[in-house]
Amino acid sequence: DGGITQSPKYLFRKEGQNVTLSCEQNLNHDAMYWYRQDPGQGLRLIYYSQIVNDFQKGDIAEGYSVSREKKESFPLTVTSAQKNPTAFYLCASSEGWTVYEQYFGPGTRLTVT
Amino acid sequence: AQSVAQPEDQVNVAEGNPLTVKCTYSVSGNPYLFWYVQYPNRGLQFLLKYITGDNLVKGSYGFEAEFNKSQTSFHLKKPSALVSDSALYFCAVRDNTGQSSYKLIFGSGTRLLVRP
Repeated sequence: DGGITQSPKYLFRKEGQNVTLSCEQNLNHDAMYWYRQDPGQGLRLIYYSQIVNDFQKGDIAEGYSVSREKKESFPLTVTSAQKNPTAFYLCASSEGWTVYEQYFGPGTRLTVT
Repeated sequence: AQSVAQPEDQVNVAEGNPLTVKCTYSVSGNPYLFWYVQYPNRGLQFLLKYITGDNLVKGSYGFEAEFNKSQTSFHLKKPSALVSDSALYFCAVRDNTGQSSYKLIFGSGTRLLVRP
C-alpha cells in the first residue's frame, strides 16, 4: 500500500447524502484510478485519469464523480444517485504510458444505510 | 470483448505442497498480464507481470507465473505453499483497445486457502 493513501478507512453515511473519498499518492504517477469491489465480483473500474485535469468514465461511472486538479490527488464523490453505494472502494495509480502495473491504496469501506 | 477468467472460486492446498491458481485471457494483440494478491480489508499488492520475453515470470514472495500463448493462459504457481499465502488472488490483463491502454481488466478473483 506504500505511496497511496486513502481516507477514511471506514465511512458511514445516510442514504441521500453525497460523500467524498480521498485518494493521495506521492509516487509522482501520472495515471490514477478508482475501483469498486463487491464480494464475488472482482474489481470494477469507476473512473480513471491519465493526466491532470483530464478523466474518463470507466465501466460503472453512473452515480459517481471525480476531479483531478492536482497530480497527487484524485477524490471520488459518491452521489445520492448511486443506487447501491455500499462497497469497498480502491484507489490506484500507475506511472504512465510504458509502465502498466497499478499500485493500490488500502481502500475505504463505505456503508450507506 | 477482452476478458480475464479465473475458473476457480477457491483453491485449497496443504502447506508445503505446490500451488497453482489458474487464469485465462482473451485480448486483441499482445497480452500484458498481471497477478495481484489481496489480504482481508487491504488493497491489492502487485506480484508479477508478463510483458514480453521468457514465458516463466518470477515475482514477489516466491511466486511465479507461466505464460502460455497457445492456451491463452497465465497460471500463478508456487513450489511450496505457506499458510501465510492464504489470500485472494486476482489476474489482470491490459485493455488493448484504443485509448483505453491504461486500463486493466481484472478477473473475479480466486481465494487460496493453505491448510497447516
